[in-house]
Amino acid sequence: QVHLVESGGGVVQPGKSLRLSCATSGFTFTSHAMHWVRQAPGKGLEWVALTSSDGSGKYHADSVKGRFTISRDNSKNTLYLQMNNLRAEDTAVYYCAKGGSTWYYFDSWGQGTLVTVSS
Amino acid sequence: QSALTQPASVSGSPGQSITISCTGTSSDVGSYNLVSWYQQYPGKAPKLMIYEVSKRPSGLSNRFSGSRSGNTASLTISGLQAEDEADYYCCSYAGSTTWVFGGGTKLTVL
Repeated sequence: QVHLVESGGGVVQPGKSLRLSCATSGFTFTSHAMHWVRQAPGKGLEWVALTSSDGSGKYHADSVKGRFTISRDNSKNTLYLQMNNLRAEDTAVYYCAKGGSTWYYFDSWGQGTLVTVSS
Repeated sequence: QSALTQPASVSGSPGQSITISCTGTSSDVGSYNLVSWYQQYPGKAPKLMIYEVSKRPSGLSNRFSGSRSGNTASLTISGLQAEDEADYYCCSYAGSTTWVFGGGTKLTVL
């Protein structure tokens, strides 16, 4: 059974940094692309970033480009999101999501971790 | 790119069928057979319901179906049940390794 568990969220001041982690189990991590998707309070879903299965490809939404970096450690079956220079508009629940047989859809999701950017 | 357009809410009675539309552009929905749909209960994680326009994940009820015509994709739920009451989001690949979601539709089962 696929299991995705995010951690690392919390309250942080504007301009500060935070690193999110997503521990995975129940599937062959090295065979799947992984995504981060976020959801601001009371709002819809927004795609944030993608990493290819081997970590060589990394892609980010324009809204976070240059501030956020997705990465993965295939030896630890863990996905990361390094978030720098955080803004109030980054406040959201951040979900890690497993790519399906292709990376074009998200076939399993974690429970999410809340990031609140506030002074 | 702009979010895909979904109705804010739809409703139906048990046993009926409803359809949720998802309108994009020729740069996303209209260009790729890569539309997916997600169900989300309040406070919970989204769940994949449809991928690649019309494919169902293994084990998902065949009451859920997807289609696409031009720049608009649709999710149809037949034989509506109380447990179907949730928020539904469409998502499309938008090229250049980016994805765009719809604003979400709240389904109410009367």
